[in-house]
Amino acid sequence: QQPVQSPQAVILREGEDAVINCSSSKALYSVHWYRQKHGEAPVFLMILLKGGEQKGHDKISASFNEKKQQSSLYLTASQLSYSGTYFCGTETPGGTSYGKLTFGQGTILTVHP
Amino acid sequence: DVKVTQSSRYLVKRTGEKVFLECVQDMDHENMFWYRQDPGLGLRLIYFSYDVKMKEKGDIPEGYSVSREKKERFSLILESASTNQTSMYLCASSLSQALGGYTFGSGTRLTVV
Repeated sequence: QQPVQSPQAVILREGEDAVINCSSSKALYSVHWYRQKHGEAPVFLMILLKGGEQKGHDKISASFNEKKQQSSLYLTASQLSYSGTYFCGTETPGGTSYGKLTFGQGTILTVHP
Repeated sequence: DVKVTQSSRYLVKRTGEKVFLECVQDMDHENMFWYRQDPGLGLRLIYFSYDVKMKEKGDIPEGYSVSREKKERFSLILESASTNQTSMYLCASSLSQALGGYTFGSGTRLTVV
């Protein structure tokens, strides 16, 4: 079952902040975040492993609450270049997952000047 | 320096045709994946392979098959194309535990008429 992302879309002005959430009904081993610009391939942003860590990537950071099976992506002081569709990908432990990800439906982020 | 290459950017095929989508990676990755991307549904896993000649079904394998004869190449086959297989197809690769994330190809937009 796919993880659920919220919101489905968000519109910002440059400099504003946003949070994108990813929620799973299954226990998670890791959560990935990707950004896809229009007409381009998704690009890997970061991975969070179970343990509740938070990671940062420029002004983009993320947290992972293993107990709640949720991850959040934080975009601060947004820039025009942040526009795109953001996907979370979740990996469940055990079996032959071999790094197999199940992706959410995506969140469309639009940043205006 | 393109690292995951999909053979065609756009493809138009007739209903009932056998269709081959090719993907090549030059990063010596163990894992390779085929996803299809549809608006509002995100990326859904069709098949993946974690080694040469090894494959596992993803979430939506019906109507598809795959082949991995060499480590760098992963082919998706539509045995008898149907209009509901019109979609964007994305190939990805990763190391075995995907700790460095997926690298995606640019995608093949397939239209079945």
